[in-house]
Amino acid sequence: DIQMTQSPSSVSVSVGDRVTITCRASQEISSVLAWYQHKPGRAPHLLIYAASTLHSGVPSRFSGSGSGTDFTLTINNVQPEDSATYYCQQANSFPPTFGPGTKVEIK
Amino acid sequence: QVQLVQSGAEVKKPGSSLKVACKASGDSFARFGISWVRQAPAQGLEWMGGIIPRFGTTNYALKFRGRATVTADESTSTAYLGLSSLTSDDTAIYYCATTPTHLGSFSPLDSWGQGTLVTVSS
Repeated sequence: DIQMTQSPSSVSVSVGDRVTITCRASQEISSVLAWYQHKPGRAPHLLIYAASTLHSGVPSRFSGSGSGTDFTLTINNVQPEDSATYYCQQANSFPPTFGPGTKVEIK
Repeated sequence: QVQLVQSGAEVKKPGSSLKVACKASGDSFARFGISWVRQAPAQGLEWMGGIIPRFGTTNYALKFRGRATVTADESTSTAYLGLSSLTSDDTAIYYCATTPTHLGSFSPLDSWGQGTLVTVSS
């Protein structure tokens, strides 16, 4: 299985800050990568797919980039409602695998 | 976008089996791949397996092969996850989620059920 790593594991930011989360794959995965937001007690929510395509209805302050093995999720102008855990997921190779998650806390 | 509603919470004994339902509405069941993803307490997300109802094909993560069974009933637009030989390690929230087939088979997961809490305890 392809192993996904994320950094940092957690981050604390203020409203209006920019947050960058890194996701690394153990093998080349082209651009077959998605990002999800997961809040406690709720279902995960798709943010970005194909590494950089914003899912319908997702605010434009979220963006994704990267290809190959290294990817980033950026949240510009962080808002209080962005407090959540963020996961990357690769699907270039079976089975689809998730990263361990990055917890974003708002100060 | 499809809406997914899952069956309710369950408490199971070790060694028993589980069946969780996921009913879809709002779009044609045949347009999606359906995945099952779980989250154990204080753990991350884990993809278990999935089905493409249009073709009837199933795939499972190696860890769950032989123990998990994913099925789909197109007549009721309902997918099911079966899991046998339960242990306390299977205590988790189980989610169903869909992927439009024009985007892939089991990713990206663009609609999610509300989750089903399964507790395995003697």
